[in-house]
Amino acid sequence: NAGVMQNPRHLVRRRGQEARLRCSPMKGHSHVYWYRQLPEEGLKFMVYLQKENIIDESGMPKERFSAEFPKEGPSILRIQQVVRGDSAAYFCASSRGQGRIETQYFGPGTRLLVL
Amino acid sequence: GNSVTQMEGPVTLSEEAFLTINCTYTATGYPSLFWYVQYPGEGLQLLLKATKADDKGSNKGFEATYRKETTSFHLEKGSVQVSDSAVYFCALSENTDKLIFGTGTRLQVFP
Repeated sequence: NAGVMQNPRHLVRRRGQEARLRCSPMKGHSHVYWYRQLPEEGLKFMVYLQKENIIDESGMPKERFSAEFPKEGPSILRIQQVVRGDSAAYFCASSRGQGRIETQYFGPGTRLLVL
Repeated sequence: GNSVTQMEGPVTLSEEAFLTINCTYTATGYPSLFWYVQYPGEGLQLLLKATKADDKGSNKGFEATYRKETTSFHLEKGSVQVSDSAVYFCALSENTDKLIFGTGTRLQVFP
C-alpha cells in the first residue's frame, strides 16, 4: 500500500522561474490538500481539492499560485514567477472522505529553494 | 477563528523520562484533535487522534485525552527514547476539513 507520493523531493529555482510540485494521493483517496511549512513554523493550509474541483482555496496566495487535481494523474501545485519568500516545504495530504473524523495522510514533502 | 496553541520548545529530556507536551485549542464547534510527528527531513506522520470529548488516543506509548472542559489535548509518554526525538504538532479539524496546526514542539531526548 503505497503512501502519498510527492515529487520532486527537492527543487531549486531561480527567481522568476516556475515551480511545479506533484502529488499522488494514496490508493482509494479522492481528497487532496496542500500545506506550506515555512522554516521553523507549523504547517499552513493552502488548498483542498477533489477530482477536477477546487473545494477550498482560502489559504492560497491570490497571485502566482494555482492548483489542480485532474481526472487522471496527480495533483499539481504551480507557482509562477517564484520569489525568495516562496522557499518552503510544501506538503500534500490525502484522505478517503471528507469531514472532521477523516484522517489526512501526508507525503514526504517537496522542499523548494528559490535562489 | 479556530486555533491551536502548543508549548514552545525545545523540550530536552533524558532517556526514560516522562514527557508532557501541552496543547490547547480554540474552536467554535466540536473538532477532532490530532497529534502528528515529523522526523528530520520527513513528512508528517499521524501519531494519534481523538474525535470526541473524553476520547483517549494512544499509539507507540504516547497518549492524549480530549478534554472539552479545559479545551486541551496534552501529549504524554511515560518513558521516552532517543528515537522519539522529533517535532510534534497538535492539530484540529472542524467541519471545514482543513487541519489547523500548532507551531510544533521540538523534542530532544539524550541517552
